[in-house]
Amino acid sequence: GAGVSQSPRYKVAKRGQDVALRCDPISGHVSLFWYQQALGQGPEFLTYFQNEAQLDKSGLPSDRFFAERPEGSVSTLKIQRTQQEDSAVYLCASRALGGGSYNEQFFGPGTRLTVL
Amino acid sequence: GENVEQHPSTLSVQEGDSAVIKCTYSDSASNYFPWYKQELGKRPQLIIDIRSNVGEKKDQRIAVTLNKTAKHFSLHITETQPEDSAVYFCAAPNQAGTALIFGKGTTLSVSS
Repeated sequence: GAGVSQSPRYKVAKRGQDVALRCDPISGHVSLFWYQQALGQGPEFLTYFQNEAQLDKSGLPSDRFFAERPEGSVSTLKIQRTQQEDSAVYLCASRALGGGSYNEQFFGPGTRLTVL
Repeated sequence: GENVEQHPSTLSVQEGDSAVIKCTYSDSASNYFPWYKQELGKRPQLIIDIRSNVGEKKDQRIAVTLNKTAKHFSLHITETQPEDSAVYFCAAPNQAGTALIFGKGTTLSVSS
């Protein structure tokens, strides 16, 4: 079946612009994660959804970052007033079961954001 | 807070040799340890994982060992092939169990 998909794959923004990144998880997956991966680094956790509930947003670096998953499927990560340090690959992952279960997270291909 | 340390950061081996990557974690309550492989420009993909009720797990040329007392776990790749060249990440759950904490990655280069 289809894996996790993300759009756009590449986004170039001018400093100060707002951007919206979309994630389509595997159908039926309960858990959805957003990670930020800087060049040469491992993915760093941003936020976690269980169905439509955002249960953990402790990794969001500032109040310019906002994520939602209103119907418990598709999720959007929004970054307001982008800054150069926001340049990174934003990875979405989904997992079949809810929190506290340790099963495979399936990653999407990522959105590479470049802020000029 | 939770932390995952990974070594080495780069590893170069000849085709057919073995490769070992080591990780340590800080949260003694952690009980799930996955390893992901990420090729250049691609998504991370799970290659093997281990839960704390076992000490070792093997899948063909790949094995993972876990020492809960020392809070270490390692990835072993035998008979390496050029297609094993990639960045490998270890990970462990955060304390809340809501996400994975990743190591900084090991760039493995296998030369033929």
